[in-house]
Amino acid sequence: DVKVTQSSRYLVKRTGEKVFLECVQDMDHENMFWYRQDPGLGLRLIYFSYDVKMKEKGDIPEGYSVSREKKERFSLILESASTNQTSMYLCASSLLGGSSTDTQYFGPGTRLTVL
Amino acid sequence: GIQVEQSPPDLILQEGANSTLRCNFSDSVNNLQWFHQNPWGQLINLFYIPSGTKQNGRLSATTVATERYSLLYISSSQTTDSGVYFCAALLYNNNDMRFGAGTRLTVKP
Repeated sequence: DVKVTQSSRYLVKRTGEKVFLECVQDMDHENMFWYRQDPGLGLRLIYFSYDVKMKEKGDIPEGYSVSREKKERFSLILESASTNQTSMYLCASSLLGGSSTDTQYFGPGTRLTVL
Repeated sequence: GIQVEQSPPDLILQEGANSTLRCNFSDSVNNLQWFHQNPWGQLINLFYIPSGTKQNGRLSATTVATERYSLLYISSSQTTDSGVYFCAALLYNNNDMRFGAGTRLTVKP
């Protein structure tokens, strides 16, 4: 079974702090994704990566950056956390490189609260 | 970009009842998936179904790509089916998967 893990289930940070959310997958998947989930809005794509050191912006990249130094790890960075970034963050991975025409597997999510 | 709409937004069922969840999308897609998010927030892939019909136990899904909709059927619902069901669609030549807002299902014993 594919396993996608996220570093924290719950996180509380203060406005202005730099925040790192880590995601690791153990199935040698090419693609990795970061989403945020907000009530009534479903999931929205922040960034995705289809290879090491490659990244593409999704719908809502503002205020976020990402890092993919190793194939199995995809990090989401909030450079200066703000209260409107309070949300559930979900990481996902899929096998194929270059496009998302494949099943996505999700981590358990990180519920981030910014005070 | 592609728009994905789900209906109904909320659904309350008695255990044992059947239900149909609908997902409409605004353009041709080459990837349509259904997910179940359990009460703990975990998203589980149910079906990868860009077209046709698939069945897995009490769940089945049908996508009619030419008419731009997909249906998820849940038969003989159980309390463990409760949670939020999302559909997600990917437009051709696009790496951006769009999710609907979800259908929140509550199955009462």
